[in-house]
Amino acid sequence: DTGVSQDPRHKITKRGQNVTFRCDPISEHNRLYWYRQTLGQGPEFLTYFQNEAQLEKSRLLSDRFSAERPKGSFSTLEIQRTEQGDSAMYLCASSLVAGLSYEQYFGPGTRLTVT
Amino acid sequence: AQSVAQPEDQVNVAEGNPLTVKCTYSVSGNPYLFWYVQYPNRGLQFLLKYITGDNLVKGSYGFEAEFNKSQTSFHLKKPSALVSDSALYFCAVRDRGLTGGGNKLTFGTGTQLKVEL
Repeated sequence: DTGVSQDPRHKITKRGQNVTFRCDPISEHNRLYWYRQTLGQGPEFLTYFQNEAQLEKSRLLSDRFSAERPKGSFSTLEIQRTEQGDSAMYLCASSLVAGLSYEQYFGPGTRLTVT
Repeated sequence: AQSVAQPEDQVNVAEGNPLTVKCTYSVSGNPYLFWYVQYPNRGLQFLLKYITGDNLVKGSYGFEAEFNKSQTSFHLKKPSALVSDSALYFCAVRDRGLTGGGNKLTFGTGTQLKVEL
């Protein structure tokens, strides 16, 4: 399977704990995005990388959230001191910036439940 | 700021009938528009896009969408619905972001399509 993969698929954690999610994009894609989706809503942008550089962060991304893409390949999203409001589906997407190819390809998501 | 509106939370259609899922948008500059479909417990799957050119764009699984600049709409259509088309559909617009070179997507709230026998 050459699509976007995410790990873990589900995570249950207690409030105050730290969690880390991983995303492996499509191999030739140079851009990687993180979104958050809550029930009944569309995905909301969190941050994106071009290669290893983090180029934009949403105001939704509080200082408890940090993302990295150390070698321009996989990315991690860490949430420190989780809160119940962090419960959501975290989606990763990747794209290849070339010509008119603007579509993003999404992974299956990581569902986070904070108890 | 870019925005997308999907005015219907749910659309019901009988199998074999045509379907339309509505989307209107608000952007500064040229719109780049997308439709995605989401099945339960799965990520979003790209269906089609409008970047430039012909106002009628064709995509996966027999879906097509019509871009109408004067009405700022990008409605998703299919001539003959299948039960397997039942899913959550999202319209999205490219947001150039703060730097002007971004490629993030702004999504609507989604429309649940239910196709019945």
